[in-house]
Amino acid sequence: DVKVTQSSRYLVKRTGEKVFLECVQDMDHENMFWYRQDPGLGLRLIYFSYDVKMKEKGDIPEGYSVSREKKERFSLILESASTNQTSMYLCASSPWSDSNEKLFFGSGTQLSVL
Amino acid sequence: EDKVVQSPLSLVVHEGDTVTLNCSYEVTNFRSLLWYKQEKKAPTFLFMLTSSGIEKKSGRLSSILDKKELFSILNITATQTGDSAIYLCASPGAGSYQLTFGKGTKLSVIP
Repeated sequence: DVKVTQSSRYLVKRTGEKVFLECVQDMDHENMFWYRQDPGLGLRLIYFSYDVKMKEKGDIPEGYSVSREKKERFSLILESASTNQTSMYLCASSPWSDSNEKLFFGSGTQLSVL
Repeated sequence: EDKVVQSPLSLVVHEGDTVTLNCSYEVTNFRSLLWYKQEKKAPTFLFMLTSSGIEKKSGRLSSILDKKELFSILNITATQTGDSAIYLCASPGAGSYQLTFGKGTKLSVIP
């Protein structure tokens, strides 16, 4: 089974702190994604990566950056956390294939910024 | 802009009821439509539909796609409390890497 692991289930940070959310997948998938999920808004794509050191902006990249130095790891960085970044963050991966739209998700990180 | 709309946004039913969840889409270069179930945190894959009129089935769950009318339905028969979850519908649309998600339908099954 594909396993996508997010390093923290719950995280509490203060406004202005630099925050790192880590995601690791064990299936050698080329594509990795970061989504945030908010009540009433659904899942929205922040950034994705289709290869090591490659990144593409999603729908809501403002206030975030990403890093993909190794194939299995995709990090989401909040340079200076703000209260409006309080959310559930979901990492996902998919293979480079005809069915690359089938995503495998991690269990999520609930981030609270105070 | 690609759009995926789910209805209803929430639903409460009793165990044993049959429910139908709806998903309509407006997506450039449509390729597929996917359904996910999200119980606690991680959405888990249910179905991927690419062809009109062909029902996909897994136990008490089934789904079908209508590419002419641009919608899909997810049916759950003989609901159980374990079916309580958020059901998400999504489509890759114009950007092949990017899934556009609907806002989800929150299903609550009460004993």
